[in-house]
Amino acid sequence: GENVEQHPSTLSVQEGDSAVIKCTYSDSASNYFPWYKQELGKGPQLIIDIRSNVGEKKDQRIAVTLNKTAKHFSLHITETQPEDSAVYFCAANPAGGYQKVTFGTGTKLQVIP
Amino acid sequence: EPEVTQTPSHQVTQMGQEVILRCVPISNHLYFYWYRQILGQKVEFLVSFYNNEISEKSEIFDDQFSVERPDGSNFTLKIRSTKLEDSAMYFCASRVQGAYGYTFGSGTRLTVV
Repeated sequence: GENVEQHPSTLSVQEGDSAVIKCTYSDSASNYFPWYKQELGKGPQLIIDIRSNVGEKKDQRIAVTLNKTAKHFSLHITETQPEDSAVYFCAANPAGGYQKVTFGTGTKLQVIP
Repeated sequence: EPEVTQTPSHQVTQMGQEVILRCVPISNHLYFYWYRQILGQKVEFLVSFYNNEISEKSEIFDDQFSVERPDGSNFTLKIRSTKLEDSAMYFCASRVQGAYGYTFGSGTRLTVV
């Protein structure tokens, strides 16, 4: 089955700086890579995703990059704000059908004002 | 914005008792999932449900667990004889056909004492 590794487990940045979270996956059949943000007491919320036919995707201050050859993908948050503080999970799964998503271990991001 | 609704938000139960966790997925979604998150750990897949039957389940989802969609709107997870190690946050998620990202509910915190 799929195995997703995520680093770092915790990350503290000053407000306005950039944050980068990295993940690797094991199953070459995975071709959909979502990122979820989990705020305290809430369920994970999809913030951005990327398909394996795309190398990079941006949405305002967040971007994801994917290197399918190396089986790794990253989340980049620029101009961080205190409201970005949360736990971020990467995930991987084969797109389509009803296949399950395999989550990474999570990164607790703290943005210091 | 449509939401996945989970009830109750917190349930405390005695070891050996049965519990039913309830979810109302988004109305036009066709794929339904249960995940759990033990405190401080990653989100783990339990089961996926499509077309009124289980499409995939994890090794965690043993005979003490069951799911059903009794009335076309609710989606329930039953744990027959709870154990201390079942204490976790349980998340329901749903997905519309043709899209890949999940919408998660806010979760039910289950505490087995």
